Amino acid sequence: AQSVAQPEDQVNVAEGNPLTVKCTYSVSGNPYLFWYVQYPNRGLQFLLKYITGDNLVKGSYGFEAEFNKSQTSFHLKKPTALVSDSALYFCAVSERAGANNLFFGTGTRLTVIP
Amino acid sequence: NAGVTQTPKFQVLKTGQSMTLQCAQDMNHNSMYWYRQDPGMGLRLIYYSASEGTTDKGEVPNGYNVSRLNKREFSLRLESAAPSQTSVYFCASRPAKMIEQFFGPGTRLTVL
Repeated sequence: AQSVAQPEDQVNVAEGNPLTVKCTYSVSGNPYLFWYVQYPNRGLQFLLKYITGDNLVKGSYGFEAEFNKSQTSFHLKKPTALVSDSALYFCAVSERAGANNLFFGTGTRLTVIP
Repeated sequence: NAGVTQTPKFQVLKTGQSMTLQCAQDMNHNSMYWYRQDPGMGLRLIYYSASEGTTDKGEVPNGYNVSRLNKREFSLRLESAAPSQTSVYFCASRPAKMIEQFFGPGTRLTVL
């Protein structure tokens, strides 16, 4: 069975500081991992994905994520947080490419404090 | 490109009423999906359509039906709405050669 855990409901960070949003996963095979962002009253926007290869994945808006197989983690990071990064962030996993079942975490609300 | 569009944006129903949520995409994507989003639970897959003419159940299909009308449109029907179906509903689509899904803006449904 596939599952995703986002252990923090809320993350607060000061503007200009680095940010990390945590995600751990469980799948039976090789994982395909995603980060999405949701701004208020909007749909989810795709940020980045990990399929295979380099463990550091770069995505939109300066975000990146680090895949760690031994820790089954896929944490989202950004070197310099902006107030406009404040949003709800979702981690998701599927167990194969093209799979129609995406399993989402419960989301982490990021607040960047000016 | 409008991307993925959903109608209506908001809807209030009484228990037992029926309604259809509409979704359309203009990106020529093969696969389409319906999710519900509830507080503290993330998104859960209701139904999906891997290609035109096919539909399959997701994690939480009870109380819903779907129709893949053509390649562009994928509708979600509540035959007899219940308060437990109060949620935000998202439609998504995915092209054949990509693994990420693209989401619409959502429909906020309240069942009284």
